[in-house]
Amino acid sequence: KAGVTQTPRYLIKTRGQQVTLSCSPISGHRSVSWYQQTPGQGLQFLFEYFSETQRNKGNFPGRFSGRQFSNSRSEMNVSTLELGDSALYLCASGSLAGGTDTQYFGPGTRLTVL
Amino acid sequence: GIQVEQSPPDLILQEGANSTLRCNFSDSVNNLQWFHQNPWGQLINLFYIPSGTKQNGRLSATTVATERYSLLYISSSQTTDSGVYFCAVGAQKLVFGQGTRLTINP
Repeated sequence: KAGVTQTPRYLIKTRGQQVTLSCSPISGHRSVSWYQQTPGQGLQFLFEYFSETQRNKGNFPGRFSGRQFSNSRSEMNVSTLELGDSALYLCASGSLAGGTDTQYFGPGTRLTVL
Repeated sequence: GIQVEQSPPDLILQEGANSTLRCNFSDSVNNLQWFHQNPWGQLINLFYIPSGTKQNGRLSATTVATERYSLLYISSSQTTDSGVYFCAVGAQKLVFGQGTRLTINP
């Protein structure tokens, strides 16, 4: 079975721009969660989607949004980028809602905001 | 929210040594996982272990849910074991500890 894939792997943007990241879960998995990793804050939960519905959201501003498609692929969008948005963005897939089962992570997208 | 504390923050060992990493958490959870983050940033799943004991080769893990802690054991360490180990717990989402940075010297 193919693992979780994320595209693009690296991204450089400037302040004020917006960015869209993509995550394809393991085949058959319907839960996709997004996490942000920074040196200062560590790994923090952004949101979780299950069957196209956002089930849970972390403590991030409204500039961070996401969606999930009928094939379970998920996209995350960050608008009006700030320098502090530079981070490694990781997505995880699971078969159950709420992240209560084994979560499998993708390789991540490293975003640099200049 | 749930608090997760990992100890020690840093651990430096010689190849062949054994190590124990600890994860304390503040509330009841129905998910606990151990991950190894590789040099490229990917989180590699080691164990899904909300309770009990599991073993996989040189690695084993034990979670005592009633006392809210989990332990990861690495025996006969190899240089390839180096990296950051994360414990993550949760009920509706994963809350990560700050990690233990393990360095295995040859």
